Order: sequence, then structure tokens, then C-alpha cells
Amino acid sequence: GQNIDQPTEMTATEGAIVQINCTYQTSGFNGLFWYQQHAGEAPTFLSYNVLDGLEEKGRFSSFLSRSKGYSYLLLKELQMKDSASYLCAVGRDDKIIFGKGTRLHILP
Amino acid sequence: DSGVTQTPKHLITATGQRVTLRCSPRSGDLSVYWYQQSLDQGLQFLIQYYNGEERAKGNILERFSAQQFPDLHSELNLSSLELGDSALYFCASSASSYNEQFFGPGTRLTVL
Repeated sequence: GQNIDQPTEMTATEGAIVQINCTYQTSGFNGLFWYQQHAGEAPTFLSYNVLDGLEEKGRFSSFLSRSKGYSYLLLKELQMKDSASYLCAVGRDDKIIFGKGTRLHILP
Repeated sequence: DSGVTQTPKHLITATGQRVTLRCSPRSGDLSVYWYQQSLDQGLQFLIQYYNGEERAKGNILERFSAQQFPDLHSELNLSSLELGDSALYFCASSASSYNEQFFGPGTRLTVL
């Protein structure tokens, strides 16, 4: 199956921390991507996890548990410009399948 | 700027028509992907080419076809257009599968 599940929308406050979860079906799994997409713009790459554990990149971190079919994207010190959709995408059988994205709203 | 270019930026056409969307990948990237994004849907993977050959196929309708040319640019052809084909069409490129994909700015297609 292709199911990738992530929350539709989340709201957080400027300066806070937010965690966006993603679950997926594990068959044929080859890696997990996170992308950021501002409204009307192209997605931009944030992270790629192929092994279990946490990858940190500045204010953004991504975690993967392959046995659980679970990943999360952690955003720290939220800024207004982080208001965007965050897309979880799974590499499977030479394809990359995107979830529907989580729309993150940042409140001042 | 991702280095991926797409033309045209906007396209307005009528039902039943045929259009061609064009994509030039980043220099050196051999893989080209096409995606469709509607308002209520996520990014839907359509098709992938690698160095001129079709590599993977997603939910691409039979009315749609694509190809990648020897210079690695790609075209997506959409025919017998329907109202529901109105969407943003993105092209992305990468060095190979499972590498970071770089997305072009997209072509916004409106079918009236």
C-alpha cells in the first residue's frame, strides 16, 4: 500500500517547538524525505533519513524508526516564515510517494 | 533558485485540448520526475525518467504521456483535457533515485 499519514493541520506559537508526525506502510521502504512547501511555491528539501535515529540540521531535526514505520520532523525556535506545509515522502520501489502534507500555522 | 526550469509558468486552455509542459533539469541530473498537485490533493507522482528511459510510473492517466530527450529535458503531454486536470504540475530532478529532488517552479494549468 501507499498510505502515508500525517496530520492535516497544526498550530504553534512563534519561538516554540513543534513535532510533525508521519506514519507509513513499511513494505519496500527505501528512505524517508521531508519537504517544506510555501503556498503556491515549489517544495524544497529539508531532510532524508534512511537509517534509524535522529538527524539534526540547524533548527530542524528528523527522526526515523523503520520497524515502526514512523518518522517525525521537529522544528525548534519557530519563526513566522516557518508557516508552510510540511510533506513527508517515502521512497519505495524507485518511486517517491508524498503524503498530503501538514499545514503549519505559526501564531505571533 | 533550484536550477530546474519549467515552461510555461501559466497555461489556460479549454476542455478537449492538448498541451505540452516542458522541463529542463539541473545540470548533471539524470532523473526527471513529474508531479500533479491539485488544491485538495497532495503531490501525486506521475512518472519518472532516468537518462532517457522510463524508470517508474505512478498514477498517470492514459491521456497523459511524457518523454525525456537526449539532452535530458523532458516534456509532459496532456491530451483530451478535462476540468479536473486543472492543477499545478511540478517537474523535479535528482542525480539518481532516492537523492534529494530539486523542484521547478511549476506550471499552473487551468482548463476552462
